[in-house]
Amino acid sequence: AQSVTQLDSQVPVFEEAPVELRCNYSSSVSVYLFWYVQYPNQGLQLLLKYLSGSTLVKGINGFEAEFNKSQTSFHLRKPSVHISDTAEYFCAVSEMDSGSRLTFGEGTQLTVNP
Amino acid sequence: DAGVIQSPRHEVTEMGQEVTLRCKPISGHNSLFWYRQTMMRGLELLIYFNNNVPIDDSGMPEDRFSAKMPNASFSTLKIQPSEPRDSAVYFCASSSTGGSGNTIYFGEGSWLTVV
Repeated sequence: AQSVTQLDSQVPVFEEAPVELRCNYSSSVSVYLFWYVQYPNQGLQLLLKYLSGSTLVKGINGFEAEFNKSQTSFHLRKPSVHISDTAEYFCAVSEMDSGSRLTFGEGTQLTVNP
Repeated sequence: DAGVIQSPRHEVTEMGQEVTLRCKPISGHNSLFWYRQTMMRGLELLIYFNNNVPIDDSGMPEDRFSAKMPNASFSTLKIQPSEPRDSAVYFCASSSTGGSGNTIYFGEGSWLTVV
């Protein structure tokens, strides 16, 4: 069975600073990887996903993530954050042929301060 | 396009009462998921359906929980009897079939408080 570990539960940063949210996964088979964002009192929204091909994936709102198979990681980055990026971010993994079922990490609360 | 629609958005009920949460998936999506989110346990998959058939209900916590999908445009999650530890946000989500790389779209959630 697959699992996901988000290494930081909370990440505070200042506006316009770069940020990296870390995610490691474990699986015995090939996987697809996702990052979702949850704004307060809302559902989850897809930021980006890695299916195959280039290991650098670009998503919405200026976020990008890099798939590293040898390190089983899929870290999320943004070069310059805004106050509006304050939210909870979830890394998720889906094993190939699992029928779209996602396993989520514990989440990382990103707080952007002025 | 309408997203995944859940009702009620908020529910406060007394312990022992029956709770029914409802979900309308995105039109054309064949997979439907029920997730529960709590501070202690994060996001947990309760059950998922493919073409209206339950495929995996191993996440359903106990017999008090049941889920149905009578047709492609409607699903319910029922808790009977409810307990305070069931207080959580319940998300319904849907995706199109065709592979596990499909994006799952979430509803806004049903916030349940059992007192």
